[in-house]
Amino acid sequence: NAGVTQTPKFRILKIGQSMTLQCTQDMNHNYMYWYRQDPGMGLKLIYYSVGAGITDKGEVPNGYNVSRSTTEDFPLRLELAAPSQTSVYFCASSTRRAGLAGQRSYEQYFGPGTRLTVT
Amino acid sequence: QKEVEQNSGPLSVPEGAIASLNCTYSDRGSQSFFWYRQYSGKSPELIMFIYSNGDKEDGRFTAQLNKASQYVSLLIRDSQPSDSATYLCAAAIDAGNMLTFGGGTRLMVKP
Repeated sequence: NAGVTQTPKFRILKIGQSMTLQCTQDMNHNYMYWYRQDPGMGLKLIYYSVGAGITDKGEVPNGYNVSRSTTEDFPLRLELAAPSQTSVYFCASSTRRAGLAGQRSYEQYFGPGTRLTVT
Repeated sequence: QKEVEQNSGPLSVPEGAIASLNCTYSDRGSQSFFWYRQYSGKSPELIMFIYSNGDKEDGRFTAQLNKASQYVSLLIRDSQPSDSATYLCAAAIDAGNMLTFGGGTRLMVKP
């Protein structure tokens, strides 16, 4: 399994341009997520999906759009790029895993990230 | 506003020592807590999760949870230079589908 893959690895955009960040997972996970990570900061949730055809906003959705037409793919669209969108973008998918004493949790698997600069 | 707070560090410990990483959270409804390790330029990877008050051990790692104090910690015993990374604490009101991350603590283990 390749796990979670993201393309491109790096991208420089000019202000006002648009682009799509691609994310694919081959683990048949229902849940998928998009996060952004600014330098020295934690991860902020942009959008998530609980299955094909179902998406919802996270903490910082403004300026982004998503779609989920298949279980495998969860692209993130940036419209009218702004310098504030300069960040590292991580896609993740999750599955339930068993823990001790019957506890269950969802483990999120992350892709390698896309480093985006908007100038 | 749900918040998860961590000291950004860096926390510097000598090789072989115990590294203690701390995290506080604001949402009393949080049910599950996660520690992710992130090497520089890489993506986060899960190392521990904990639900119940008390300690949970996994190899050199021990997660501690105190829900009354809204406090989570991660202890790394016999720290190695390969443990040098940023450690992200995350809280969830469910089993972990929706995570709120802290800003991370950078750990440096010196040989």
